[in-house]
Amino acid sequence: EAQVTQNPRYLITVTGKKLTVTCSQNMNHEYMSWYRQDPGLGLRQIYYSMNVEVTDKGDVPEGYKVSRKEKRNFPLILESPSPNQTSLYFCASSLEASSYNEQFFGPGTRLTVL
Amino acid sequence: RKEVEQDPGPFNVPEGATVAFNCTYSNSASQSFFWYRQDCRKEPKLLMSVYSSGNEDGRFTAQLNRASQYISLLIRDSKLSDSATYLCNTGGFKTIFGAGTRLFVKA
Repeated sequence: EAQVTQNPRYLITVTGKKLTVTCSQNMNHEYMSWYRQDPGLGLRQIYYSMNVEVTDKGDVPEGYKVSRKEKRNFPLILESPSPNQTSLYFCASSLEASSYNEQFFGPGTRLTVL
Repeated sequence: RKEVEQDPGPFNVPEGATVAFNCTYSNSASQSFFWYRQDCRKEPKLLMSVYSSGNEDGRFTAQLNRASQYISLLIRDSKLSDSATYLCNTGGFKTIFGAGTRLFVKA
């Protein structure tokens, strides 16, 4: 089944404890992206990747890191999480980094930072 | 001005009604647009794409007005199952989403 998976789905952590949210897609997509969703603000792009070893900042990259060592994986790293990073996170992928490709989303990761 | 703006709603409509949402965008260079449907805090799923003047799929019609820089989504004969949040999105690698419009369809 073609899909985007994220792990963990739910995470409660404490300020300053490094964490990684994994994202994997099995559709051989070139483009992958991370978003956070907060009430009233919609989906905001954190980082995106156009292909292996090619990543760039979205609108809200502060406090996050990403890597793209393999085509299928695009982990999101929070080196020192803070309470303002409490949010719902979505990973997405699309066939190419083109204006014309829809994005396929993972099921989301609900993160709480205490 | 936000790059992509939507009326947050909520829109409360009876079953069978026709409802329309608008989405305005500020980047005149945007080539394509998408409407996604999102059920309560689940992942967004593509509803329709809009590349030229419009697109139609069953009860759903999306239209693009480049001169006024907005796209619209029209839902005819609303069903209870249409209750969701509808997100407008500009395509491209540095993509922008609107905050979403909530729709409630009541029996």
